[in-house]
Amino acid sequence: GAGVSQSPSNKVTEKGKDVELRCDPISGHTALYWYRQSLGQGLEFLIYFQGNSAPDKSGLPSDRFSAERTGGSVSTLTIQRTQQEDSAVYLCASSYVGAYEQYFGPGTRLTVT
Amino acid sequence: KNEVEQSPQNLTAQEGEFITINCSYSVGISALHWLQQHPGGGIVSLFMLSSGKKKHGRLIATINIQEKHSSLHITASHPRDSAVYICAVRRNNAGNMLTFGGGTRLMVKP
Repeated sequence: GAGVSQSPSNKVTEKGKDVELRCDPISGHTALYWYRQSLGQGLEFLIYFQGNSAPDKSGLPSDRFSAERTGGSVSTLTIQRTQQEDSAVYLCASSYVGAYEQYFGPGTRLTVT
Repeated sequence: KNEVEQSPQNLTAQEGEFITINCSYSVGISALHWLQQHPGGGIVSLFMLSSGKKKHGRLIATINIQEKHSSLHITASHPRDSAVYICAVRRNNAGNMLTFGGGTRLMVKP
């Protein structure tokens, strides 16, 4: 079946602009995660959605970052007033409720100029 | 000090060699994951462990909860195994958040 998809695959934006990154999880997966991988750095957790529960936002680096998940499926990560340090690959993953194995999307490479 | 440390950071091997990648962590965990990231960037989950040992093909993962240590072994390595291998832990009382190691970049030469 279809895996996790993300769009766009690449995004170049000017400093100060807002961007939206989209994630389509695997159908039936109720858990959705956003991660960030900066150049030369490891992966870091950003936010986690589980069903209708309040999201775990503990990894968001600043209030310029927000995410929503509509209808328990598609998620959008929004970065407002982008900064150069926001340049990274943003990865989305999904899993079944209560399951540990996460399935990763291909990522969105964000470049802030 | 990072909560999850991997060694080595970089590893070059000849085809056919037995490879070991290590992961040590300093927090209580409920599970440990091994992930593989190919040069194109895609990430694949290899194993999830909470105890003991798991085997899949030429890959073997072990974990020692008391010593807070896990190893990923690759037998009969092949150039297609070249990738970054990432250890990640699910900390106790941290929900489903994963904390990642810095990764081990493996290159297997023919």
